[in-house]
Amino acid sequence: DGGITQSPKYLFRKEGQNVTLSCEQNLNHDAMYWYRQDPGQGLRLIYYSQIVNDFQKGDIAEGYSVSREKKESFPLTVTSAQKNPTAFYLCASAGTGSYRYTFGSGTRLTVV
Amino acid sequence: ILNVEQSPQSLHVQEGDSTNFTCSFPSSNFYALHWYRWETAKSPEALFVMTLNGDEKKKGQISATLNTKEGYSYLYIKGSQPEDSATYLCALGGKLIFGQGTELSVKP
Repeated sequence: DGGITQSPKYLFRKEGQNVTLSCEQNLNHDAMYWYRQDPGQGLRLIYYSQIVNDFQKGDIAEGYSVSREKKESFPLTVTSAQKNPTAFYLCASAGTGSYRYTFGSGTRLTVV
Repeated sequence: ILNVEQSPQSLHVQEGDSTNFTCSFPSSNFYALHWYRWETAKSPEALFVMTLNGDEKKKGQISATLNTKEGYSYLYIKGSQPEDSATYLCALGGKLIFGQGTELSVKP
C-alpha cells in the first residue's frame, strides 16, 4: 500500500547534536512538507518542497535544514542551532494540483 | 505569516450533544480550506476540502460550511459520540497552514 513512512517514532538526542528525521513516500507525490507541533499549539510549517532539488522555508525554518535529492525522500535535519528542538514532527505529501494530502505518523524528538 | 485561528481551543461535551467549531482565515488569496480529524498517535484524517464560497459538505454526522468572503468555516458535529473525541484541525491550502486545533472530548 502507498503511504508515508516516518522513522523512528521516538528519538532521543543530547543537546548540541544534529539529528536527521526520515520521511519517505511511495505515492509519487511531487510536494512534501514538514511540520512541528508543540503542546497546546497547532502544526507549524517548517519547510516544504514542491519539486525535486527545490525547497522553501516555512514559518519556522530557523535551526532546521532539508534536502530533496529524490522524489520519495525529504529528510529534515534538526541542527544544534534550533533552540527548542523537543517537539512532535509530522511529514506530509501531496500530488501536484491535488487537494489530497497524506500524512506520516510522526516522530517525537526529545533532546536532553 | 498567514494566520489561521480556531475556536474554541478545547470543548468538553456529553454524548448526544451537538457541537460546532470555528476556523477563521484571511479572505484574500483564498485557495482551499481543509478540515482534519486527528487522534493521538495516528495520522490526521481528512474530513473535507472546500474551495467555493458557500460550500457545504457532509460526512455522516459531521458537516462543514465555508464563507470565503468573510474568512470563516464552521464544522458541526450532530449528536457527538465518545469516538468523536479528537483534535479537529483546519488548514489553508496550498502550503497547508494549520490553525491550532480544537480538542473535543465527548463523555459517555
